Amino acid sequence: KQEVTQIPAALSVPEGENLVLNCSFTDSAIYNLQWFRQDPGKGLTSLLLIQSSQREQTSGRLNASLDKSSGRSTLYIAASQPGDSATYLCAVRRYGGSQGNLIFGKGTKLSVKP
Amino acid sequence: EPEVTQTPSHQVTQMGQEVILRCVPISNHLYFYWYRQILGQKVEFLVSFYNNEISEKSEIFDDQFSVERPDGSNFTLKIRSTKLEDSAMYFCASSEALLGGRTDTQYFGPGTRLTVL
Repeated sequence: KQEVTQIPAALSVPEGENLVLNCSFTDSAIYNLQWFRQDPGKGLTSLLLIQSSQREQTSGRLNASLDKSSGRSTLYIAASQPGDSATYLCAVRRYGGSQGNLIFGKGTKLSVKP
Repeated sequence: EPEVTQTPSHQVTQMGQEVILRCVPISNHLYFYWYRQILGQKVEFLVSFYNNEISEKSEIFDDQFSVERPDGSNFTLKIRSTKLEDSAMYFCASSEALLGGRTDTQYFGPGTRLTVL
């Protein structure tokens, strides 16, 4: 059974710092991996999607990498800002059979201090 | 930018009552999903829907749950007889396709917070 783990559970950094959020999954047979942002009491905002054949994706100050064989993904945030404060979730879509259901980690709660 | 919308934002109901949660997916999307998040826990998949039928459902999605696309724009989740443990945030999502690439991206609505008393 696929399990997704995110470490750390919470992270507090000063503004301007570069940071890395980690995501690991137990079954490397994935179709893709998606990173989301969740603000308190709100929905999920899609940040990046990496297909299993890709190694990384970039969007602005965000860079996500994927090492499928080792079951790991990282989300790199450059020059963090207070507005980046949120919970970051990663989710994998398992390969074969399913019609797109995502399996989520519990998230990393990020706080960027001004 | 197109977005998924959900109504109501908050629903309070008595145990045993039926509730219908409503979603309007992004207009050109073909795949629709419901997820839920119990407070403090992971987001969990409930069901996916394509071409007017359920594609996949989780073990959470038992006979108390049903989904429907009553018209060309709405997608609903019905809970027939709510239980206390159904209290959660329910998210609707949609994606354009499942063919690979950016069209796989699932876009989520803001959620409906369901409170069962």
